[in-house]
Formats: sequence, structure tokens, C-alpha cells
Amino acid sequence: SQTIHQWPATLVQPVGSPLSLECTVEGTSNPNLYWYRQAAGRGLQLLFYSVGIGQISSEVPQNLSASRPQDRQFILSSKKLLLSDSGFYLCAWNTPHPNTEAFFGQGTRLTVV
Amino acid sequence: AQKVTQAQTEISVVEKEDVTLDCVYETRDTTYYLFWYKQPPSGELVFLIRRNSFDEQNEISGRYSWNFQKSTSSFNFTITASQVVDSAVYFCALSDTGRRALTFGSGTRLQVQP
Repeated sequence: SQTIHQWPATLVQPVGSPLSLECTVEGTSNPNLYWYRQAAGRGLQLLFYSVGIGQISSEVPQNLSASRPQDRQFILSSKKLLLSDSGFYLCAWNTPHPNTEAFFGQGTRLTVV
Repeated sequence: AQKVTQAQTEISVVEKEDVTLDCVYETRDTTYYLFWYKQPPSGELVFLIRRNSFDEQNEISGRYSWNFQKSTSSFNFTITASQVVDSAVYFCALSDTGRRALTFGSGTRLQVQP
């Protein structure tokens, strides 16, 4: 069966520090991968998505970047965190087949102080 | 552009009451997919149901039921005989056949009181 792992679960980082969040998927190949962010008390916003290794599409201009160095690995990064980067980050995957649902990781709660 | 509206920010009911969560969507695509996810306090998103735009059949799964009406662009979710464990934030979402990414509504927080 397929599983998705996301870590760390919680992170407190000072303003100006770098960020690296990692997400890996097991039990499937060539998944679509996504990073979403949920600000406190709000809905989820798509940040990045990837349909293959090295292929990254950014949805909103921001202080973050994403990379996909391996088929089932998706990394969210920042060189210098801002206070506004605080939020709940969720990684998700689905198959290329259109009539399938997305599955989410357990999320990373990031607090920038 | 796609849009999902969940007008109900928060709903509070007493256990065993029925509750309906509303979802209205906008899209120019003729083929699209609708979803409901549950977000318990722990934060992870739990998939509940998927519907494609060609399937307007309503669905029932235990105490959960979904009413998809293309004519009104709505995909409403009803919980029958609610339980305390149903307390969570519920998200309606929409995806296309291109990016396959989800456009989420702002969520409805459901509180079921014992």
C-alpha cells in the first residue's frame, strides 16, 4: 500500500534562518506531488506541484522554493524565513490518472519567531 | 479560474442531530472532480469522497451522504445522527484534469456537543 511521510511534525525557527521540509512517498511510482500551506484558521493554498523529477511549478510568488531530486521525494525550502512563512504545511500526492484522490502527509507546523 | 465556497464558517450541533455542510463551486472545465476531506484536530487531511462531473448520483456511506447537483454547482455533505467524533474541520475541494491540484474552500468547522 502507498504511504506518505512528512517531517518534521513541528518546527520553530527564527526569522532569517533556512528551512527544509521533506516529504517522501512509498508504494507508488511517478506520483504527482504537491505542497500546500494552511494559514491559521484558513483554507489550504497550493504552493508548488510536480509531475516528475526536476519538474516544479510554482503557484504563488513567495519566499519558498521546492525541489524534486528523486521520483518520490519532494522538498520545500527557504533560504531566509519570514514571519509570514508561519503556518501548517502539507505534502500530498496523487496518481497521474485524473479520477483519483490526493493523499496527504501529517503536516508540519512551522512557527517563525 | 476555479473557486470553492463554503459559506458556513462554523456549525455547532448537539449529538444525534443531522447536519448539512454546504459547498458551491465554480469552474469553466467540463470535466472536473469534487472532494470532501476531514481535518481532525491533529491536522492531517482525511479523504472522504470523490465525485467526477459526469456522475451526479448521490452517495451514502454509513452516516455520511453527499448530494451533487450540477445545475446549482453544489456538492453538499450531510452527516446523519452526528457524533462527537465528527467534530473537525471539513473541506470541500475541486480539481481539474490538468494540474490535478486541489482548490479548497475555506472549510467548515463542525462542533458536535455531547
